[in-house]
Amino acid sequence: GEDVEQSLFLSVREGDSSVINCTYTDSSSTYLYWYKQEPGAGLQLLTYIFSNMDMKQDQRLTVLLNKKDKHLSLRIADTQTGDSAIYFCAERPNQGGKLIFGQGTELSVKP
Amino acid sequence: EAGVAQSPRYKIIEKRQSVAFWCNPISGHATLYWYQQILGQGPKLLIQFQNNGVVDDSQLPKDRFSAERLKGVDSTLKIQPAKLEDSAVYLCASSLGPGGDEQYFGPGTRLTVT
Repeated sequence: GEDVEQSLFLSVREGDSSVINCTYTDSSSTYLYWYKQEPGAGLQLLTYIFSNMDMKQDQRLTVLLNKKDKHLSLRIADTQTGDSAIYFCAERPNQGGKLIFGQGTELSVKP
Repeated sequence: EAGVAQSPRYKIIEKRQSVAFWCNPISGHATLYWYQQILGQGPKLLIQFQNNGVVDDSQLPKDRFSAERLKGVDSTLKIQPAKLEDSAVYLCASSLGPGGDEQYFGPGTRLTVT
């Protein structure tokens, strides 16, 4: 089946690292994504990783993929107040393009 | 490069009324998606178009929802008649091809059904 799970809330202090976790069920997923959603806005594509990769780094963002455990994480280094938002993990189960989203993790960054 | 455009941004209607949403994808993007995002949840795909053909509409409630993309560019999503549970944000996304490696989302239309 297709299901993506995330913890609902994460609170960190400005300057710390944030780690947002996600588990998915479809082992055939080809790509896994992280999107950011600010209040009243659409989803902003942050980064994505192909299923044959273990890690991808993009500036302050590091994505780790453990295919064996079907676990994906997003690490944000030097978290800033502007990073406060809801972060969605999504899997793409096949070549068709449809994305399956988790319920989102609300990141709160305290000064 | 202009992003995905959607209108209106907000709509309030009474149950049993009809409503339509419009989406203009990123120029050159052949694949267009409509997602429904209920408050507190992640988006759920309603329908996917490749050019003007439907690729996946398995989760579209076809008794009340319809969508079209007649010329393979703009798309409209219609609800008729609306129910209270249709209150949600309707997001349009587009990607270059059917593989959808990078899907870009518009700002969404927030629908409230009273």
